[in-house]
Amino acid sequence: NAGVTQTPKFRVLKTGQSMTLLCAQDMNHEYMYWYRQDPGMGLRLIHYSVGEGTTAKGEVPDGYNVSRLKKQNFLLGLESAAPSQTSVYFCASSREFGSGANVLTFGAGSRLTVL
Amino acid sequence: DAKTTQPNSMESNEEEPVHLPCNHSTISGTDYIHWYRQLPSQGPEYVIHGLTSNVNNRMASLAIAEDRKSSTLILHRATLRDAAVYYCILISNFGNEKLTFGTGTRLTIIP
Repeated sequence: NAGVTQTPKFRVLKTGQSMTLLCAQDMNHEYMYWYRQDPGMGLRLIHYSVGEGTTAKGEVPDGYNVSRLKKQNFLLGLESAAPSQTSVYFCASSREFGSGANVLTFGAGSRLTVL
Repeated sequence: DAKTTQPNSMESNEEEPVHLPCNHSTISGTDYIHWYRQLPSQGPEYVIHGLTSNVNNRMASLAIAEDRKSSTLILHRATLRDAAVYYCILISNFGNEKLTFGTGTRLTIIP
């Protein structure tokens, strides 16, 4: 049982390049989330999904797109990377909808550097 | 959305109990109090959660004030492996999908 797996773990991009971060979960969770973490900023929600085929904006969605074509996968895309998107990205998933007992399971993170 | 306030940092001696405070004065009746921690170079991991009553599990205890405006995460006997950033967040019973994390409390354990 792998939980939440993020690929790649590290990536270096040049300004203007595009890339996709993949998050996969094997727990049959409905909810999935993408966060970014910058020094001194805590975790900020980029986008989230409440089920297959649905996505919604979080706190800092600009410059990112997401897709949830399969229940187990949540993709985060950068169409034209900027240095401001240098960060550590975390994916998370959770089982329940509309429950305060909702527990999130996080991946190990993907460190992205944009030069 | 209800917010939480935590001290930026705390220190504790190894093998001593640690009390990590969290204020949430605007908490609503349907908000659960959750604690997560993030070890260095890892993703956050769930620690404990509760609604009104104090809770215990193998990792920690959660003490919730009677008016629910504050809570305390208790690590009964800190080890060096407990050095991490601890986050206190509120999760609503009404589908609060936009779960936000603040900057948390950085706990340093002194050998």
